Amino acid sequence: NAGVTQTPKFQVLKTGQSMTLQCAQDMNHEYMSWYRQDPGMGLRLIHYSVGAGITDQGEVPNGYNVSRSTTEDFPLRLLSAAPSQTSVYFCASSYGGNGGYTFGSGTRLTVV
Amino acid sequence: SQQGEEDPQALSIQEGENATMNCSYKTSINNLQWYRQNSGRGLVHLILIRSNEREKHSGRLRVTLDTSKKSSSLLITASRAADTASYFCATDAWNQGGKLIFGQGTELSVKP
Repeated sequence: NAGVTQTPKFQVLKTGQSMTLQCAQDMNHEYMSWYRQDPGMGLRLIHYSVGAGITDQGEVPNGYNVSRSTTEDFPLRLLSAAPSQTSVYFCASSYGGNGGYTFGSGTRLTVV
Repeated sequence: SQQGEEDPQALSIQEGENATMNCSYKTSINNLQWYRQNSGRGLVHLILIRSNEREKHSGRLRVTLDTSKKSSSLLITASRAADTASYFCATDAWNQGGKLIFGQGTELSVKP
């Protein structure tokens, strides 16, 4: 099993560009989440989903969109990139209930 | 905010010593989880403790939970250089399944 796969691993964007960070899991997990991690800080929740067709906002949702059309995939869209969105982005999934999360290896995004 | 503080922010110990990290939170929880992050890597789930549990063990890890004080502690016994990492607690709020909120973490350095 691959676990949680994030692509790309690195990305440089210009201010105002849009892009989609991909996240896929092959564990049939219902719960999926996106986090961002900035230097010296913990992880902040951007958006999360408890199943296909269900998404909700986390702590820092502004500037990001998500959709969950399948159990396996949970893409994160940056609508108009800003330098403040420079960060490392992590996707995670869990079977839900009292289950721990499995994390992807991250996408390092730089907005110039 | 759902999450409170972790302390200490940084901890430096010698190999063989015990390391204790503390976490406080603000809301009622379903469970509390601890994760480890090695530098530049994704997070790894260590242990989950449910709100109706007071103590849990996994190998050299011992986690306690005091819901009356809204606090938890992670004890790593007989630490090794390989335990050097950042440790994060995360809370799964009651009635908000899928919304896992992280603290800012404790950076542990174990010197050989």
